Order: sequence, then C-alpha cells, then structure tokens
Amino acid sequence: AQRVTQPEKLLSVFKGAPVELKCNYSYSGSPELFWYVQYSRQRLQLLLRHISRESIKGFTADLNKGETSFHLKKPFAQEEDSAMYYCALLTGANSKLTFGKGITLSVRP
Amino acid sequence: EPEVTQTPSHQVTQMGQEVILRCVPISNHLYFYWYRQILGQKVEFLVSFYNNEISEKSEIFDDQFSVERPDGSNFTLKIRSTKLEDSAMYFCASSERTEQFFGPGTRLTVL
Repeated sequence: AQRVTQPEKLLSVFKGAPVELKCNYSYSGSPELFWYVQYSRQRLQLLLRHISRESIKGFTADLNKGETSFHLKKPFAQEEDSAMYYCALLTGANSKLTFGKGITLSVRP
Repeated sequence: EPEVTQTPSHQVTQMGQEVILRCVPISNHLYFYWYRQILGQKVEFLVSFYNNEISEKSEIFDDQFSVERPDGSNFTLKIRSTKLEDSAMYFCASSERTEQFFGPGTRLTVL
C-alpha cells in the first residue's frame, strides 16, 4: 500500500534562513508527487508538483526515486511562508491523493 | 478564478442523525472527491466519483456513507447515522485531470 511520511511536525526558522521540509514515500508504481499548502484559515492549495519541475514562491522540490523522497526546499524563508505544508502522492487510475501528516512551518521575523 | 465551494462551513449534529454535506465543484471538472481530516490527524481519502458513479472508496467509506450528484452542479456526501468518531473536517475536491482543487471544508461536530 502507498504511504507518505513527513517525519517532523513543526519547523521554526528565522526570516532569511533556508528551509527543507522532508517527505518520503512508499509506492510500488510510478509516483506522482505534490506539495499542498494551507495558510491560516484558507483552503488547501497546490504549491507544486514534481512533473512540472518549476519553482513556486521560491520553493522547489526534486523527486529522488533512489531515496524515495520529495523534499521541499527554499533558500531564504519569508514570514508569509508560515503555513501548514502537506506532501501528497497521487495513485491509481482514479487519482486519489495519499497525504502525509503535514508540517507546520513557522518563520519568525 | 473558479473555486470549489462547500456548505455549510460548520455543522453540529446529534449522534445517530443524518447529515448531508454539500459541495459545488468547478464547473468543467469531471472528477470529484471527498476527504476528511480528524483533528490532529492526516487528510484521508474517502471516495472518488466519476461519470456518475463511485470509482474508488476507502475502507472508511462504509455503508453509512453515500455520495450523489443530484444535478449538474452539486456533489453531496451523506452520513446516514452519525457517530462521535465522524467528527472531522470534510473536504470536497474536484479535478479536470490530476490537479485536485479543494474546497474550504465543512467542520462536522457530532455530539
């Protein structure tokens, strides 16, 4: 069965510090991975997906099939990055998402 | 920009009562989903719906749950006889292909 692991619950950094949010997955098929973000009192929204290989709001994530990881990185955190971040794995023809537990990123001034 | 909407934002009900949670997906989307998040836990898949039928459901989605697309715009989740453990945030999502767009959620509280 598929699984997504986000080992940390909380990451607190100062503004300008680098950020790495960890995500590991377990899936026997070809994975399609996403990062979703939820700002305070807002809905879950897609931040980025590994297929598009783009940088959104300064965030990047590279799929490493050897390590089964999809860590989210940003070189210089901003206060507005404070939010809950979820890693998710898309599986099956019906495209259900399997989520990790999420991590709260807190960026202090 | 079109968004998924959900009503109500908060529903309080007594154990054993039926509840219907409503969602209006994005209009040109073909795939619809319900997820739930119990407080402090991960977002969990409940059911996916395509072409007017359930395409996949999780083990959580037992006989107490049902989904329906009663007209061309609404997508509903019904819980026939609510239990205390059904208290959670319920999210509706829709997609055209693989990117799923989420609604703001309905917080269900079962007393």
